[in-house]
Amino acid sequence: KNQVEQSPQSLIILEGKNCTLQCNYTVSPFSNLRWYKQDTGRGPVSLTIMTFSENTKSNGRYTATLDADTKQSSLHITASQLSDSASYICVGSTLGRLYFGRGTQLTVWP
Amino acid sequence: DTGVSQNPRHKITKRGQNVTFRCDPISEHNRLYWYRQTLGQGPEFLTYFQNEAQLEKSRLLSDRFSAERPKGSFSTLEIQRTEQGDSAMYLCASSPLAGRGHEQFFGPGTRLTVL
Repeated sequence: KNQVEQSPQSLIILEGKNCTLQCNYTVSPFSNLRWYKQDTGRGPVSLTIMTFSENTKSNGRYTATLDADTKQSSLHITASQLSDSASYICVGSTLGRLYFGRGTQLTVWP
Repeated sequence: DTGVSQNPRHKITKRGQNVTFRCDPISEHNRLYWYRQTLGQGPEFLTYFQNEAQLEKSRLLSDRFSAERPKGSFSTLEIQRTEQGDSAMYLCASSPLAGRGHEQFFGPGTRLTVL
């Protein structure tokens, strides 16, 4: 069964701190692994897309890693800002279909 | 704004009524997707079109749901005889036929509340 699991479910950090979000996926055959940011009441916005041959991908203060052997991915956020408060969703892609995790709800406090 | 747009952004209706949502994809995007997202969950796939052809439908798409993309541009999603369980955010996304990973671009969603 294709599925994506994320941890933690929610996270609170202080502005300026770093954090790492985790994702375990079971998607076969594997095409790529994506991270999306979703602000409350808005649609998801793509942060990174990685194929199995890519170990890491950065987008500004966001850095995603992928271990295709253990089927794990992480999203590291550096020097967090208040605007980083959002849900971060890990997505496994196979044969053109996307399988979404439940997301990690990140709250950044001043 | 050349992104994906959805209308209306919010819809409140009484149980049993019919509702219709519209999605305007990014121009020249061949593929258009509909998802449903409930609180605390990730989006769940409903259906997708390639141009005007509806190529796949999820088991979530009951007989009360119908989607169309008549000219391969905008799409509509209709829910007949709405139920309280239909309350959710309905997201539309589009992607080009080719390109890196068929990246999907999402619209802002239509939030449906069924009373």
